[in-house]
Amino acid sequence: GAGVSQTPSNKVTEKGKYVELRCDPISGHTALYWYRQSLGQGPEFLIYFQGTGAADDSGLPNDRFFAVRPEGSVSTLKIQRTERGDSAVYLCASSLGLSGSTDTQYFGPGTRLTVL
Amino acid sequence: GQQVMQIPQYQHVQEGEDFTTYCNSSTTLSNIQWYKQRPGGHPVFLIQLVKSGEVKKQKRLTFQFGEAKKNSSLHITATQTTDVGTYFCAGPEAGGTSYGKLTFGQGTILTVHP
Repeated sequence: GAGVSQTPSNKVTEKGKYVELRCDPISGHTALYWYRQSLGQGPEFLIYFQGTGAADDSGLPNDRFFAVRPEGSVSTLKIQRTERGDSAVYLCASSLGLSGSTDTQYFGPGTRLTVL
Repeated sequence: GQQVMQIPQYQHVQEGEDFTTYCNSSTTLSNIQWYKQRPGGHPVFLIQLVKSGEVKKQKRLTFQFGEAKKNSSLHITATQTTDVGTYFCAGPEAGGTSYGKLTFGQGTILTVHP
């Protein structure tokens, strides 16, 4: 079946603007994850959802970042008042969401965000 | 907070040579996962180790999880050009309930010269 998809693949915006990044998980996956990857670094955890609710949002850097998953499938990561330091590749992953264990996370291709 | 370190940061080998990357966590992990990211690509899951001292093999790749569940290694025997990429380890902190929160190392970039 189809893998995790993310749109847009690239986003260029100006400092101070608002952006939305979308993630479509693998069908049937109840868990969805957002990570941020800067050049030369490993992915940095932001938030993960189990169904519609955020199971852990401890990685969101500040209140400019917000994510939703209203129907338990597609998720949107929203960034307000973007700053140049927000420039990175934003990765989404999904998994079956097995209770009480760490199951395999399947990553999407990412959205490259550039804040000018 | 939890930190995961990997060494070396870069490794250049001739095709046919062996390669090893090491991963160390500041806290005990409930499990360790390894991912491979090709240049321009996204992380792809390789394997998960759960038990203390566990060793798993995938063809030319051998993965180990330390006895204290704080360190791990990935060894590739007789590297090929298809092994090029960045290898990441990642794991959730033991004792927590946030099973999905993976802390990644910074990765080891492997280049293989034919």
